[in-house]
Amino acid sequence: GESVGLHLPTLSVQEGDNSIINCAYSNSASDYFIWYKQESGKGPQFIIDIRSNMDKRQGQRVTVLLNKTVKHLSLQIAATQPGDSAVYFCAESGDSSYKLIFGSGTRLLVRP
Amino acid sequence: EAGVAQSPRYKIIEKRQSVAFWCNPISGHATLYWYQQILGQGPKLLIQFQNNGVVDDSQLPKDRFSAERLKGVDSTLKIQPAKLEDSAVYLCASSLGPRRAAPGQNRDTQYFGPGTRLTVL
Repeated sequence: GESVGLHLPTLSVQEGDNSIINCAYSNSASDYFIWYKQESGKGPQFIIDIRSNMDKRQGQRVTVLLNKTVKHLSLQIAATQPGDSAVYFCAESGDSSYKLIFGSGTRLLVRP
Repeated sequence: EAGVAQSPRYKIIEKRQSVAFWCNPISGHATLYWYQQILGQGPKLLIQFQNNGVVDDSQLPKDRFSAERLKGVDSTLKIQPAKLEDSAVYLCASSLGPRRAAPGQNRDTQYFGPGTRLTVL
């Protein structure tokens, strides 16, 4: 299948380990953040979101952490599986606009 | 539930030719988006429709790109004439509409189609 990105930062983890993917956002007025997963040849798939009035939100095997002081967002994936291999994008938006601004993405490779 | 449908999946054209992409959003979704994703980058919004009206087209290169959603459902994106730098994946997304979050989500989530990969030679 086609490659989503050839020169993306890459995180390589062993199957079963935990993964942490980081994202720095630019707009201090952004109040809503989302993580998307994009597999090769597919469109981005929603994983989890968080509003700025929270600093942590958990889903199934995933946790998003938000540090507004340093404008940093992270996605933690527990017990990483081969199916988690993909490119992960963070996106931000502000309250006055639902327009999403995507980051540049991180490729996650899971070693068997 | 069927997802966002797009066609064609791949298109190769020469520069200065025209091309059109089609999108069918998830049934009942009022908002439709077109994004351009250049290799190695995140998607960039080109245009956003609310029903059949344009909400945001500030990043659409209007000298060559056009889009319409005449009946508030399907949408087409056209490029005429194409340039080499238009080579990218064109993604369509849809959402329920403003201030309509699905259960368990904080805001109006955008659901993406598989995209159309355009190569301009």
